[in-house]
Amino acid sequence: ELKVEQNPLFLSMQEGKNYTIYCNYSTTSDRLYWYRQDPGKSLESLFVLLSNGAVKQEGRLMASLDTKARLSTLHITAAVHDLSATYFCAVLYGGATNKLIFGTGTLLAVQP
Amino acid sequence: NAGVTQTPKFQVLKTGQSMTLQCAQDMNHNSMYWYRQDPGMGLRLIYYSASEGTTDKGEVPNGYNVSRLNKREFSLRLESAAPSQTSVYFCASRPLSGNTIYFGEGSWLTVV
Repeated sequence: ELKVEQNPLFLSMQEGKNYTIYCNYSTTSDRLYWYRQDPGKSLESLFVLLSNGAVKQEGRLMASLDTKARLSTLHITAAVHDLSATYFCAVLYGGATNKLIFGTGTLLAVQP
Repeated sequence: NAGVTQTPKFQVLKTGQSMTLQCAQDMNHNSMYWYRQDPGMGLRLIYYSASEGTTDKGEVPNGYNVSRLNKREFSLRLESAAPSQTSVYFCASRPLSGNTIYFGEGSWLTVV
């Protein structure tokens, strides 16, 4: 069964602090995505991770992928209020299935 | 969300009514997806289509049908709407090669 699990589900942070969101998936995948969603909006693409050891950074966000452990992380450095949103990982299962399965999401609230 | 158009954006249905959500993309993408997102939750895959003329069930297909008559369009039909189908529906598309997945702006459906 294809499963994607994220934790934590809710994260309240103070500005300036660091934290990590974890994304575990159940079977081998082709690629892993991270998205941001603001309330009432669609999804905004953040990162695409293609291979083991891949690391991508944009501003205060850094994503990494460990395909052997089936784990991706989204690290937040020195959080600011503007980062408050819900973050999702999604795993593309390729080959014959071509399924794109989302994690449960992490609601991030950055407090001043 | 350029390139993926969903209609309608908002709809209120009575229990038992039927309706079709339309999704069209102008990027010549092979794969298309339909998701539902319930309040405070992640996106759950309803159906997907790897190519024109093919469709497959996702995580929550019961109560829905889909149609991919051409490469551009992927429609989602509710034959007999139920209150449990009140949700926000997102359509997405992905090229055969290439990493980006494009999402529509969402369709807000309320079944009373």
